[in-house]
Amino acid sequence: KQEVTQIPAALSVPEGENLVLNCSFTDSAIYNLQWFRQDPGKGLTSLLLIQSSQREQTSGRLNASLDKSSGRSTLYIAASQPGDSATYLCAVNLRGSARQLTFGSGTQLTVLP
Amino acid sequence: GAGVSQSPSNKVTEKGKDVELRCDPISGHTALYWYRQSLGQGLEFLIYFQGNSAPDKSGLPSDRFSAERTGGSVSTLTIQRTQQEDSAVYLCASSIRVNTEAFFGQGTRLTVV
Repeated sequence: KQEVTQIPAALSVPEGENLVLNCSFTDSAIYNLQWFRQDPGKGLTSLLLIQSSQREQTSGRLNASLDKSSGRSTLYIAASQPGDSATYLCAVNLRGSARQLTFGSGTQLTVLP
Repeated sequence: GAGVSQSPSNKVTEKGKDVELRCDPISGHTALYWYRQSLGQGLEFLIYFQGNSAPDKSGLPSDRFSAERTGGSVSTLTIQRTQQEDSAVYLCASSIRVNTEAFFGQGTRLTVV
C-alpha cells in the first residue's frame, strides 16, 4: 500500500526566507506527483505536477523536484511571503492503482511578516 | 465553467437524514473524483469516474454512500441515513483524463447533528 509522508507537519518562517517542504512515498511506481496548497476552509489549489519521467518543475517562486528511485519530492519556495501561508499537500498517482491520488497529511506553513 | 463547482458549500443535517452533494466538473474533463477530508485527517479517496466506464467505488466507506455521474458531466454523491462520523468536507476533483493534473472544487462541509 502506498504511503505518503510529509515532514515537517508545521513550519513557521520569517518573510523573505527560502524554504523546503519534503514529501516521501513508499512505492516508486508512480505516474506523477502533484503539489497542492489548501487555505483554511477552502479546497485544494494545484501548484505543480511532475511526471514520473521528470526531475523538476518550476512555476514562479516555486520549484518542485522528484527523485522517484528514492521516493522523495521537495517543494522549494523562494523569498517566502505572508500570502504563502497555507497547508501544502503532496499527492502521488500510483501506477496500477484505482487511478486515485494518495495524499500526505500536509505541512502547515506560516510566513511571519 | 472556469473551475470545479460544488454545491452546497455548507450543509447541516440531522442524523438519519439523506443528503445529496453536487459536483460540476470543468467542461471537457472526463475524469471525476470524490474525496473526503475529516477533521485532523488526510484526504480519503471515495470514488472515481472515467468517461463511460464503470466507476471505481473501492473507496466508499459503506453501502450508505453512492454516487452517479449523469451524461459524463455533473456528479452527485448521496449519503443515506447520515451518521455523525460522516461529518467532513467532501471534495470533488476533475482532470482532463486519467493520470493528468487534478483540479479541486471548494468542497462541501457536511455537519451531521
